Amino acid sequence: NAGVMQNPRHLVRRRGQEARLRCSPMKGHSHVYWYRQLPEEGLKFMVYLQKENIIDESGMPKERFSAEFPKEGPSILRIQQVVRGDSAAYFCASSPNYEKLFFGSGTQLSVL
Amino acid sequence: ELKVEQNPLFLSMQEEKNYTIYCNYSTTSDRLYWYRQDPGKSLESLFVLLSNGAVKQEGRLMASLDTKARLSTLHITAAVHDLSATYFCAVVLGGSQGNLIFGKGTKLSVKP
Repeated sequence: NAGVMQNPRHLVRRRGQEARLRCSPMKGHSHVYWYRQLPEEGLKFMVYLQKENIIDESGMPKERFSAEFPKEGPSILRIQQVVRGDSAAYFCASSPNYEKLFFGSGTQLSVL
Repeated sequence: ELKVEQNPLFLSMQEEKNYTIYCNYSTTSDRLYWYRQDPGKSLESLFVLLSNGAVKQEGRLMASLDTKARLSTLHITAAVHDLSATYFCAVVLGGSQGNLIFGKGTKLSVKP
């Protein structure tokens, strides 16, 4: 059983471009979470999704950020018009029952 | 607002010594997690603690939970170099599913 797969591993964007981060949960997991980590900090919750539904987006900035988890395919975290402050590591986690989260290797986003 | 505080934030240990990392949180919670993160890597789940008085052990690591004191400890016995990493505790936000509030992490360095 492959772990949580995230891609790309590293993503470089210029200010104003769009960033798309992908996450394929572990097989059998229907809960997906996105977290953001700044250097020397713990992870900050962004959004929790189940298939085709956003359950909790209380940690997601209201503008420029969106997330989806379609019926088929990976979950996508989309950041429009990126700014330098968006530079961070973005981690996806999945869970079969929200009690134990399994994290992917993360996407390091760098905004130039 | 739920806050999670870890101490110490940095810990330099000698091999074969024992030490404890502390995790305090500010409001009641159902679950407490300990994770390990190696530089540039994802988070590895170590322990999930669900009830008052819970104690779990894996190798040289032992975690305990006191929900009345809102305190968890991660005890390291006879440290070895392989334990060098950053250790995070995280507490689930009450009423949420998977919204984990993370501490800032304890960066552990074990030296020979």
